[in-house]
Amino acid sequence: DQQVKQNSPSLSVQEGRISILNCDYTNSMFDYFLWYKKYPAEGPTFLISISSIKDKNEDGRFTVFLNKSAKHLSLHIVPSQPGDSAVYFCAAKGRIGTPLVFGKGTRLSVIA
Amino acid sequence: DVKVTQSSRYLVKRTGEKVFLECVQDMDHENMFWYRQDPGLGLRLIYFSYDVKMKEKGDIPEGYSVSREKKERFSLILESASTNQTSMYLCASNYETGGNYGYTFGSGTRLTVV
Repeated sequence: DQQVKQNSPSLSVQEGRISILNCDYTNSMFDYFLWYKKYPAEGPTFLISISSIKDKNEDGRFTVFLNKSAKHLSLHIVPSQPGDSAVYFCAAKGRIGTPLVFGKGTRLSVIA
Repeated sequence: DVKVTQSSRYLVKRTGEKVFLECVQDMDHENMFWYRQDPGLGLRLIYFSYDVKMKEKGDIPEGYSVSREKKERFSLILESASTNQTSMYLCASNYETGGNYGYTFGSGTRLTVV
């Protein structure tokens, strides 16, 4: 049973526009969420995170929104750039001592 | 700059071989993890370790074992490689303190079993 779901396997966006990547979770014990970015033949790199006590966290062009009641989070990238083309993984954390649970990823293509 | 180093970027092995994938971190992290990444399946946890000589099964441990004799090194062992273990293998580490739950990943090992 998937606890973290990224329902869009891929997304295509024009350069300069907004990219919105979505993530849903089922486990109400999750209280910390992260986004990772992965290029081919490289390991994932940390992008941005949010604690369940917040509903928004911003870092430059990247903003993560958390809606706890809907068990939904989203990553906004504004403006999108060709270098943002990668696979984005959503991850969730439960109690201390348990591993992160990752979604299946969304492949973002930013078209120039 | 903190690092997780995986010993090989690309490996080709034959069916039935015993395969060792090595991972070393220089951050004095307590926790280490092995994932595999496959198209459409995302990152799946194979094994993890929260201390030296400790290991815990992840979601897909079958056909794998691990070894953690030293804090900085976490090895993944394919006891008898099979073609369905062809995949990208990713090692990660972290230290859960001060609300820092993120992992640092290595660059990955692309394993092909023929």
